[in-house]
Amino acid sequence: KNQVEQSPQSLIILEGKNCTLQCNYTVSPFSNLRWYKQDTGRGPVSLTIMTFSENTKSNGRYTATLDADTKQSSLHITASQLSDSASYICVVSSYNAGNMLTFGGGTRLMVKP
Amino acid sequence: DTEVTQTPKHLVMGMTNKKSLKCEQHMGHRAMYWYKQKAKKPPELMFVYSYEKLSINESVPSRFSPECPNSSLLNLHLHALQPEDSALYLCASSQSLAGDYNEQFFGPGTRLTVL
Repeated sequence: KNQVEQSPQSLIILEGKNCTLQCNYTVSPFSNLRWYKQDTGRGPVSLTIMTFSENTKSNGRYTATLDADTKQSSLHITASQLSDSASYICVVSSYNAGNMLTFGGGTRLMVKP
Repeated sequence: DTEVTQTPKHLVMGMTNKKSLKCEQHMGHRAMYWYKQKAKKPPELMFVYSYEKLSINESVPSRFSPECPNSSLLNLHLHALQPEDSALYLCASSQSLAGDYNEQFFGPGTRLTVL
């Protein structure tokens, strides 16, 4: 069964600090991995998308890494801002079943002043 | 236009009401999706349309009825819902169901409350 596990479930950091969120997956066959940011009550917004051959991808202060051998990904947030407070969801796509998505449970990040 | 729009933003309905959720995109995408999301949980896939044909129905109760009148529009008709159906309903679209960069773009969601 395809699964995506994220850790930690929740995280509180001070404004200006860095943090790293983790994602482990057992989706097969792997197509791509995305990180989404979701504000409460809003739809997810894509931060990065990586295929099998990509190890690192950045989007401003967000940097995602992918290790396809160990089936792990991380999202690093640099110099956090209050607006970074949100849920961060790791989503893995499989070539099977029309590239359907398997969602992780998300990490709820709170940035405090 | 790289946006998926959803209306209404909020909806409160009784268990005997009939209502509809609407979703629209003008990116030329040919795959559209409905998801249901409960608080603090990831989105759960409900339906997938590909080229205006229902491709996937994730065993959703018949009180939810999807409709894709054209390639830009996706509706979700609601009838005789239960209070446990209260959730955030998300619409998404993608270029197609295939491809490495088959990124799904999500709408802002409709917050549904069933009384």
